[in-house]
Amino acid sequence: LAKTTQPISMDSYEGQEVNITCSHNNIATNDYITWYQQFPSQGPRFIIQGYKTKVTNEVASLFIPADRKSSTLSLPRVSLSDTAVYYCLVGELAAGNKLTFGGGTRVLVKP
Amino acid sequence: EAGVAQSPRYKIIEKRQSVAFWCNPISGHATLYWYQQILGQGPKLLIQFQNNGVVDDSQLPKDRFSAERLKGVDSTLKIQPAKLEDSAVYLCASSFEGNSPLHFGNGTRLTVT
Repeated sequence: LAKTTQPISMDSYEGQEVNITCSHNNIATNDYITWYQQFPSQGPRFIIQGYKTKVTNEVASLFIPADRKSSTLSLPRVSLSDTAVYYCLVGELAAGNKLTFGGGTRVLVKP
Repeated sequence: EAGVAQSPRYKIIEKRQSVAFWCNPISGHATLYWYQQILGQGPKLLIQFQNNGVVDDSQLPKDRFSAERLKGVDSTLKIQPAKLEDSAVYLCASSFEGNSPLHFGNGTRLTVT
């Protein structure tokens, strides 16, 4: 079971960059890293995923060092609507793409 | 594409009663997941199906919870009898294959009194 550890909460201000670091020390060779966002009264929503190095899409970047024991989600220029809980997960392909959620990071964006 | 559909949206029952939740995944998605999310916590995987076979049900309380996925499409999750601690949001998700992202429904909020 690939467990993840991430900060419980983070505060930021509109227009700033938010970086959330997650540790996953026992990640297996074939596992990948994925991040989800959840707003109140909604199901989690996929943000980004990667296996190594850097991945970027229209909403975020994901940085994964060579040892893959941690990863950092970067949200550029956040707005009030980015206030949400962000979950870091390790996708276990050997277990049929099993995804285990941790407690997540509550990000509060202030005006 | 249509998203993952779940019903009902809310359900209130008394303890020891039974309840069932329904999920219709995105068309063509082979993998279906049921998660339980207690207020203030991350979702907890209850059961994972690949087509109509069970991949993982290690955290499903099998003395009271059951789930099925008929014909590899829709799925139902049942609780019988319910306990107070079953009060939570029950989330259904589906994914296409391999490491494809999960698509979640908005869940069913269950309150057991």
